[in-house]
Amino acid sequence: QSVLTQPPSASGLPGQRVAISCSGSSSNIGPNFVYWYQQLPGMAPKLLIYKNNQRPSGVPDRFSGSKSGTSASLAISGLRSEDEAVYYCAVWDDSLSGPRVFGGGTHLTVL
Amino acid sequence: EVQLVESGGVVIQPGGSLRLTCAASGFTFKDYTVHWVRQAPGKGLEWVSLFSWDGVTTYYADSVKDRFTISRDNSKNSLYLQMNSLRTEDTAIYYCVKEDTPKVDYYGMDVWGQGTTVTVSS
Repeated sequence: QSVLTQPPSASGLPGQRVAISCSGSSSNIGPNFVYWYQQLPGMAPKLLIYKNNQRPSGVPDRFSGSKSGTSASLAISGLRSEDEAVYYCAVWDDSLSGPRVFGGGTHLTVL
Repeated sequence: EVQLVESGGVVIQPGGSLRLTCAASGFTFKDYTVHWVRQAPGKGLEWVSLFSWDGVTTYYADSVKDRFTISRDNSKNSLYLQMNSLRTEDTAIYYCVKEDTPKVDYYGMDVWGQGTTVTVSS
């Protein structure tokens, strides 16, 4: 069981906006950077958002990240069929012996 | 182009040992902390271990502590994971991943390899 809580699933129609939440605590999201990864079926994860709200080059501006207190959120606007994937949040946790923890992942379905 | 290429994954019996290798290219390897992350079949991502850029710090997930050993050879731009006393629950795809920021221990990971599959089964 992960210390970061994500909804197991989310869905939306093409063109809609969806948001995926990541809930943590004062030992992880509170003081540290949040990262988001997209994993397409059969592929390795890909960095989507780094340091809370920064987009790597090549990631469309339809993807955005935010953080407030001990929670973070990934928003996807103008939903497209190719966005159907599993999305993971990740953050350093100061209370654990290991520095990187992942959320359980959210499977996004484009209806 | 930044690349990480893992190798060494096999089918192995419980209790066996295995060493995974990650070959890095396209960046200054010695300046970056590098990680191993795994994914069991049909499951989410699990961070396994890291080796800091300055060679000072290694960390392990509790699930592999005292069984796995991470190492690196900057002269060969390579990262390794020695896996001993393997269990069926270690069955997973193992990914090599680099930190996104040079000369820091851990902020977050950016580039992932394609993964190598380890299957522990009798």
